[in-house]
Formats: sequence, C-alpha cells, structure tokens
Amino acid sequence: GENVEQHPSTLSVQEGDSAVIKCTYSDSASNYFPWYKQELGKRPQLIIDIRSNVGEKKDQRIAVTLNKTAKHFSLHITETQPEDSAVYFCAASGRNTGFQKLVFGTGTRLLVSP
Amino acid sequence: DGGITQSPKYLFRKEGQNVTLSCEQNLNHDAMYWYRQDPGQGLRLIYYSQIVNDFQKGDIAEGYSVSREKKESFPLTVTSAQKNPTAFYLCASSIRGRDEKLFFGSGTQLSVL
Repeated sequence: GENVEQHPSTLSVQEGDSAVIKCTYSDSASNYFPWYKQELGKRPQLIIDIRSNVGEKKDQRIAVTLNKTAKHFSLHITETQPEDSAVYFCAASGRNTGFQKLVFGTGTRLLVSP
Repeated sequence: DGGITQSPKYLFRKEGQNVTLSCEQNLNHDAMYWYRQDPGQGLRLIYYSQIVNDFQKGDIAEGYSVSREKKESFPLTVTSAQKNPTAFYLCASSIRGRDEKLFFGSGTQLSVL
C-alpha cells in the first residue's frame, strides 16, 4: 500500500522567511495530493491540493509542486507570518480506488517567530 | 464551526469498557471517515463509509466498530479489545468520497483511567 514520508518534523523560521515542507510517496498510482493545516487545538483544514496532471499550483503565499517521476511533492510558504504557525500534513490518495483512502504523512510543526 | 460535530470533546474509558464517540454532519455528504491521531504519527484511517448501511475497514480497524444507519451520523465504538485507545479521534466527511476535500470535526480526546 501507499506510504508517505514527510520532512522535516519541525521547522522554525523568522517572520518573512520562506518555509518548505517535503513529502515522498511510494505508490506511483497515487494521483491526488492534499495539504492540511492544523492549528493548535483546532481541526485540520485543507489549504491546497494538487492532482497528478499538474506540476505546480499556487494560492497567494502558498504553492505546491509535484514531481511524479521522483514521487515527491512539496509545500512552499512565502513571506511567512506568525499565523502560519501550525502542524502541516501532506497526504496521497490512490487511483481508481472508488473511495478516498488518503494516507497522511507524520506532520511538520512549523513555528514562525516574529 | 458548524457542519460536522463531534462529541464529547473529552472522554475517559475504564478498563474493559466500551465507549462510543459521536459524529454528526449536516453537510449532506455521502462519505464519512474516522481517523486516529497520535503524536508523531499523523492521521490513520480506522473506518470509512461511502453510503448509508455500508462501511469498510481502514488501516487500523481492530478493536473498533462503527455503524451508518443514517446519512448524517457515523458513531465510533472503541471496544475493550482496543488495548491502546488513548488518542485524539477525528471524524471527517466528504461529498462523494473520491479525491476531494475532507471536512473534519473538532475531535474527541479519549483517555484511559
């Protein structure tokens, strides 16, 4: 089955810096890759997702890139702000499974210092 | 924060006891899921349901049971067979269950007395 690895487990940056979180997946049939943000004490929320027919997707300060050949995808946050501090989870979903069986990474705790 | 509601927020289980976690959604979503969240392990799928009266085991179903008698409700029972139940449990729903956004509840923290 699918296995998703996420790095780093913790990331500390200064406000205004960029942050990059990387994930690798094992199943070449995976075709949907969402990123969820979980603030302390709150529920995870989708911040961006990408499908395997696209190499990059941007939404304001957030971007995700996908390299199907290498089977890895990354989350890029530019001009970080203290409110970006949270745990970020990547996930991968297989193809033609008939249901959404997401496999999540272990999470990255991002701390943005003022 | 409406849409998908979990209760209780905190739950304590005694040895040999079964406990049930509630999950209700008013989003008219077909698919519902239960995930377990442990520190440093991400979210792991326990059970999912794509339609009323049907559900499937996820990756860590042993010691858990579910029912889906109504579209809006997907309760999770943690049985006494689950030897390490202490965790944060998240319920989620999605429109059809096919590579789409998950809407999460606010979670239930289960601890063993």
